[in-house]
Amino acid sequence: GQQLNQSPQSMFIQEGEDVSMNCTSSSIFNTWLWYKQDPGEGPVLLIALYKAGELTSNGRLTAQFGITRKDSFLNISASIPSDVGIYFCAGLKRGGSGNTGKLIFGQGTTLQVKP
Amino acid sequence: NAGVMQNPRHLVRRRGQEARLRCSPMKGHSHVYWYRQLPEEGLKFMVYLQKENIIDESGMPKERFSAEFPKEGPSILRIQQVVRGDSAAYFCASSPQLDTYEQYFGPGTRLTVT
Repeated sequence: GQQLNQSPQSMFIQEGEDVSMNCTSSSIFNTWLWYKQDPGEGPVLLIALYKAGELTSNGRLTAQFGITRKDSFLNISASIPSDVGIYFCAGLKRGGSGNTGKLIFGQGTTLQVKP
Repeated sequence: NAGVMQNPRHLVRRRGQEARLRCSPMKGHSHVYWYRQLPEEGLKFMVYLQKENIIDESGMPKERFSAEFPKEGPSILRIQQVVRGDSAAYFCASSPQLDTYEQYFGPGTRLTVT
């Protein structure tokens, strides 16, 4: 099946540092989404990207939709302890009738922040 | 505006029993999606439903699994004759009828098969 390769698999950083993670695919996606999941909870939508080359920010988070439509990255600036969690990228293909509904998820990046 | 609601949050079933997982989408949302997550893995798509219609069930196992989203009431994911390999977290997501592709997830149901 389709896969998204997300890297790095895990990160352990100092509070205040910037973080960067990315997602690549062998096929094209029309929409890229970034989610954060805390233990025992469902994923929470952070940022949605709809156009190739689009750069979108949400507070300290910035995400970009790659020009080739096969990749996306997420940056977190000035990390804080509550940034701890698992970050997932997800790609969505848009079929002929519109929303195909099927999100393809990466394997996740586990972020740990040392105070 | 309440978020996506799922119940129960935790469900324990013995092998061979049936599991019923319920999902109430966000108010105004008519698209529902079910995903399964195994430990240490990302979410895997199972099925996409609109009211009274299954749009895409390409991720659903062919046997024992079924899903519905009736005109009234929550969406139901039903697993018959559960086996230990069914143990996982099952998440429901919803999106509005408008042309948006953002899916909002519920807290999940953690199914344990003993």
